[in-house]
Amino acid sequence: NFMLTQPHSVSESPGKTVTISCTRSSGTIASHYVQWFQQRPGSAPTTVIYEDNQRPSGVPDRFSGSIDSSSNSASLTISGLKNEDEADYYCHSSDGTNRVFGGGTTLTVL
Amino acid sequence: EVQLLESGGGLVQPGGSLRLSCAASGFTFSDYAMTWVRQAPGKGLEWVSTISASGFSAYYADSVKGRFTFSRDNFKNTVYLQMNSLRDEDTAVYYCARRELLDYWGQGTLVTVSS
Repeated sequence: NFMLTQPHSVSESPGKTVTISCTRSSGTIASHYVQWFQQRPGSAPTTVIYEDNQRPSGVPDRFSGSIDSSSNSASLTISGLKNEDEADYYCHSSDGTNRVFGGGTTLTVL
Repeated sequence: EVQLLESGGGLVQPGGSLRLSCAASGFTFSDYAMTWVRQAPGKGLEWVSTISASGFSAYYADSVKGRFTFSRDNFKNTVYLQMNSLRDEDTAVYYCARRELLDYWGQGTLVTVSS
C-alpha cells in the first residue's frame, strides 16, 4: 500500500497565501485522482477539491488544487486567507482497491 | 440537496456487534458507489470500505477485512455497515460518504467499543 504524507501543521496570516503539500510514496500521483477535505473542529469533513483541481459548487475560488508529477505530489493552495479557513485539511487518493488519506494538516490563521 | 444521515452508533463491548445505517436522499442513489470513513478520537481520517453502485463489489481496509460487511439496499436508498468482533481500536466516529471520491459526507455516528 502507498502512503500520502502531509506536513503536520502550517500557519499564515490573514490575506496571505498558503500551500499544503501531499506526497505519494509509491505509484504515480497522476494515476488516480486526489481529493482535499476541510474539517473544522467538531464538524464532519467537507470537500474543497475533487479530481485533482475541481471545486464543488459553493467552495470559493480562493481554493485551488494541483498535481506535480516531478515531485509525485499534490498541493492545495488557499489564497486571501480568512480566519474561517482555520481547520484540518486532508488529502485522499487511491490505487484501485485501496483508498488512502494523508495524515492531515492543521492550518492556523494567525 | 444531497443528504446522508447515519444512525446505529452506540456503546458496545469488545467482541460485540453493531450495524450502522446511512440513509441517502437528494440524488439517484443506485447510480453511485458509497464509502464508509472513520475517525478515532483526536486522530485523522481512515478509509473503511467502499461498495459499488450495484452492491456487487465491496472493498475493505485491512484493519476491518473479515469483520465488517458493507451492503446496500437500492430500494430503500440505504447502505449498511455490519461490524462484528469489535475491538477497542474500532472506537471512532463513522461517516458515510458518496462515491469513491467522497464528494458528500454525512454528519457521522459515534461507535464506542469498551467494557
